[in-house]
Amino acid sequence: RKEVEQDPGPFNVPEGATVAFNCTYSNSASQSFFWYRQDCRKEPKLLMSVYSSGNEDGRFTAQLNRASQYISLLIRDSKLSDSATYLCVVNRGSNYKLTFGKGTLLTVNP
Amino acid sequence: GAGVSQTPSNKVTEKGKYVELRCDPISGHTALYWYRQSLGQGPEFLIYFQGTGAADDSGLPNDRFFAVRPEGSVSTLKIQRTERGDSAMYLCASSLSSVGNEQFFGPGTRLTVL
Repeated sequence: RKEVEQDPGPFNVPEGATVAFNCTYSNSASQSFFWYRQDCRKEPKLLMSVYSSGNEDGRFTAQLNRASQYISLLIRDSKLSDSATYLCVVNRGSNYKLTFGKGTLLTVNP
Repeated sequence: GAGVSQTPSNKVTEKGKYVELRCDPISGHTALYWYRQSLGQGPEFLIYFQGTGAADDSGLPNDRFFAVRPEGSVSTLKIQRTERGDSAMYLCASSLSSVGNEQFFGPGTRLTVL
């Protein structure tokens, strides 16, 4: 079983839609959690960290459930510019050796 | 300020050849990481440097892969006797230190082994 598993996707949604990505991790020792965004043929960039209390950044909301080892990302009112691959990322606490999921491709259509 | 830079951006080589990939981290970042990303997959950790020393090289796939960071800044990933399976995007990242700081990724080097 892979350490980080994500929805396989791809997701195709119209502008303005709400879309949710799910991710599970297998190592209960994982301590830090992130969502990264990767545009086609570009490097990954940090979208947001994920905290147990849940956190929101504009149209983006991230949730963490440690008991279920489950992470989610919700995008509201999606824009064309949100089209990208979203990578679920965990690490075991020293903030090196990030472990990435395969990523979920999102395409927002006009 | 300048981000992480990597050279070359693309490298095409023949099976069996030796290649070097270079990473220039953000100035002042003591931690440096190499990852490899195959098509349709997320990046996979290769090696982590804190300063000049390789603190964790557990992700290097075999002894054909080696990386150095002699002065604690620029790093070079070296691959000997390249194989077709080495073809991937090689990403470098740096962070201010290893603990609790965001890793900033460079644009990567796309390696193709024919």
